[in-house]
Amino acid sequence: GDSVTQMEGPVTLSEEAFLTINCTYTATGYPSLFWYVQYPGEGLQLLLKATKADDKGSNKGFEATYRKETTSFHLEKGSVQVSDSAVYFCALSTSGAGSYQLTFGKGTKLSVIP
Amino acid sequence: NAGVTQTPKFQVLKTGQSMTLQCAQDMNHEYMSWYRQDPGMGLRLIHYSVGAGITDQGEVPNGYNVSRSTTEDFPLRLLSAAPSQTSVYFCASSNDRAPYEQYFGPGTRLTVT
Repeated sequence: GDSVTQMEGPVTLSEEAFLTINCTYTATGYPSLFWYVQYPGEGLQLLLKATKADDKGSNKGFEATYRKETTSFHLEKGSVQVSDSAVYFCALSTSGAGSYQLTFGKGTKLSVIP
Repeated sequence: NAGVTQTPKFQVLKTGQSMTLQCAQDMNHEYMSWYRQDPGMGLRLIHYSVGAGITDQGEVPNGYNVSRSTTEDFPLRLLSAAPSQTSVYFCASSNDRAPYEQYFGPGTRLTVT
């Protein structure tokens, strides 16, 4: 079945450091790919998405490129801020028989220190 | 818009008790779903609905019931709570133009003793 593998956390960075969170996937067909973010005490929010190969999703300084050849969708940000501290989830769309299911990775907790 | 709301925020149950977790959305979304979040497990789909009167099972449906009598509401019922159901529960909704761009509620933290 479909699956998503994210790098293990937690990740601790200093403010203004470069961030990469690795995400690889296994899927049949051509899924859409997503990054969701969960701030402390809140539900998940969509951060960015890409719907086909070579698409780049971007939002709030974060970027991720849909790489079909390496089945990857790594999240990057050039300069993190304390306010970016959150848990980040990579996800893919899983379709079939009317189900609009998202398959999530286990999440990567990011802590940014001043 | 309030978005997706969930009640209660916290709940403690004893084994064998039943309860209903409430979820409502005011965005007229067709698609609603329930996930549970456990440490190191990501989110797993419990049940989902593609419209009023239509529900189906997700990845981990055992021990849970749902119904969808209106577009707005999608309650999750625990029939006989077990310690394995201790988790954080999230409700989400989306529209049929972008069904995977899901809006999540703030969650209900449930502890079963």
